[in-house]
Order: sequence, then structure tokens, then C-alpha cells
Amino acid sequence: DAGITQSPRYKITETGRQVTLMCHQTWSHSYMFWYRQDLGHGLRLIYYSAAADITDKGEVPDGYVVSRSKTENFPLTLESATRSQTSVYFCASRPGQGADTQYFGPGTRLTVL
Amino acid sequence: DAKTTQPTSMDCAEGRAANLPCNHSTISGNEYVYWYRQIHSQGPQYIIHGLKNNETNEMASLIITEDRKSSTLILPHATLRDTAVYYCIVRFRQGAQKLVFGQGTRLTINP
Repeated sequence: DAGITQSPRYKITETGRQVTLMCHQTWSHSYMFWYRQDLGHGLRLIYYSAAADITDKGEVPDGYVVSRSKTENFPLTLESATRSQTSVYFCASRPGQGADTQYFGPGTRLTVL
Repeated sequence: DAKTTQPTSMDCAEGRAANLPCNHSTISGNEYVYWYRQIHSQGPQYIIHGLKNNETNEMASLIITEDRKSSTLILPHATLRDTAVYYCIVRFRQGAQKLVFGQGTRLTINP
């Protein structure tokens, strides 16, 4: 089906483990984004990408790594998970410069024990 | 991006119009007003945006005051499925990449 998907939808991991959250979109949108949502903070931008092989930091990039080898995929990796990274993670995409709307995925709920 | 102020919560009866206000007194001339909503446990969903003229689409209407310092999102015939947190965001159309979500308005539609 067309759209933006995230996997897994739920993940429980332990402190210090590496975790990768996947994001896939079928629209060939140029821009992709990763946000985290925590109580009291709303949504905060972690990283974004303007095109394949082009990424840039958002507000809260520390502890995260991204890559974008293909336009349709934008994985987010927590290299050594910490409890403070327990959150709901949303991926989003938008067509390109001049386009207004971001389309969000369903989210991944990550718990770090 | 200009800061926005929204009421924390609102209630509306099903079938009535829901009017959600937003103050953005520091908005600059090239900044747009966007509205998104987030239904519980789902990703945010785009609703509508505008610069200075009133806008309408299949989901809602956006009324922007002449001085552009405030706006109102109108859901003409609210349903229970419209219960969500509604975010008013002011930003330049191009350039800035992130959407800055404030605390939004928690709208509850009552049967």
C-alpha cells in the first residue's frame, strides 16, 4: 500500500543495546524527518534528510544516527540506547522544497529498560 | 518561527461547529499558519494552511484576521472522530524544515 510505514510499531530493549527504527515511504518524497514525542515536550525533530545521502541534525540529535542510501528509506539508529530515549518516534516525509505538508507515519513506541 | 498560543482544552457537542482559536501576534509577513491534529496514538495529520486569505478544504476552514495576529480553525460539523489534539503552527513556507509543535488544544467532542 502507498504511504509511510514504520517498523517495528513497538520495541522493548535494554540500556546499551543498539536499536534501529525503520521508516519507508512509497511516494518518492525528497524530504524525510524523524521526531520524538515525550510528555511535556511535544514533538521534537531529531534528524532530517533533504535527499538520498543528505542528512542534517535537528533539535535533539545526540545519541542517534541516521542514513539515507535510498530515497524511500530513512532508518534511525540508537547506537547505545539509554532510558532517556524511551519515547514515541514518528517518521514523516514531504515532497520537496516549496511543498508544505508533512505526512507522518504511525509511530514506534520504544521502551528502554 | 513565530510563537503561537492556544487554549489547553476545549469541548464541543457532536454535530456542532468546533472553533479553535490561535494567537500568533509576532507573525511576520511571509509566515504561513498551519494546522495539524493528532488523534490519540497516531501520527500528526495535516489539516489546512493559509497566509492571509481564508481557506477551506474538505476537512476544515481557516479564518485569519486581517492583521494576521490570530486565526480560527473551524470544523463545521464535529464528529466523535474529531477528538484530538490540534496544533497551530506558524512558519515560513520554505527554508525552515522542522515543524515546531507547541502543546496544542485538546479538543473533546461529546455525544
